[in-house]
Amino acid sequence: QKEVEQNSGPLSVPEGAIASLNCTYSDRGSQSFFWYRQYSGKSPELIMFIYSNGDKEDGRFTAQLNKASQYVSLLIRDSQPSDSATYLCAANSGYSTLTFGKGTMLLVSP
Amino acid sequence: DAGVTQSPTHLIKTRGQQVTLRCSPKSGHDTVSWYQQALGQGPQFIFQYYEEEERQRGNFPDRFSGHQFPNYSSELNVNALLLGDSALYLCASSLWGGRNNEQFFGPGTRLTVL
Repeated sequence: QKEVEQNSGPLSVPEGAIASLNCTYSDRGSQSFFWYRQYSGKSPELIMFIYSNGDKEDGRFTAQLNKASQYVSLLIRDSQPSDSATYLCAANSGYSTLTFGKGTMLLVSP
Repeated sequence: DAGVTQSPTHLIKTRGQQVTLRCSPKSGHDTVSWYQQALGQGPQFIFQYYEEEERQRGNFPDRFSGHQFPNYSSELNVNALLLGDSALYLCASSLWGGRNNEQFFGPGTRLTVL
């Protein structure tokens, strides 16, 4: 059974702080990993993906992948209240199918 | 450049009825995947269509069926609706064989079964 695990939160951070979101996955065959942001009542929006060990930066977002530990994380620098949402971690299970975690709710307080 | 579109936005049905949901993929994409997202859960993969054939299927009963048309658009059909089918149904489009398998979601169809 392929699984992606995330802490459901909520993770509360003050405005301007760094938010750190984590997930683990069970399928060692997973090759690429995705972070989606989902506002309440809306559909998931792709933030970024990563497929190589190490860090990948895109603006205020940094994704980190450690395949040996089967661990993926997303760092959000200078967090803003508009970043308050549920963040979904997903692993590519082959042929473009994704296995999602349940998501972590992030709350950024002004 | 049109993104992924879905219709209808909302739908209310009663138990035992049948429903059809529609999706048009992003321009340039040829693969459509359907997901079900129950409240408080992550999306669950239903099935995927490419070249008008079902290519992958998740752990869903055969009450869930689909179709892809030559223009890459797709339908999701659910028969004999159950209360537990109430969820947000998401369509995701991608490019078959794309290097990183990025999937882009449509706005979703909120299905309520009474």
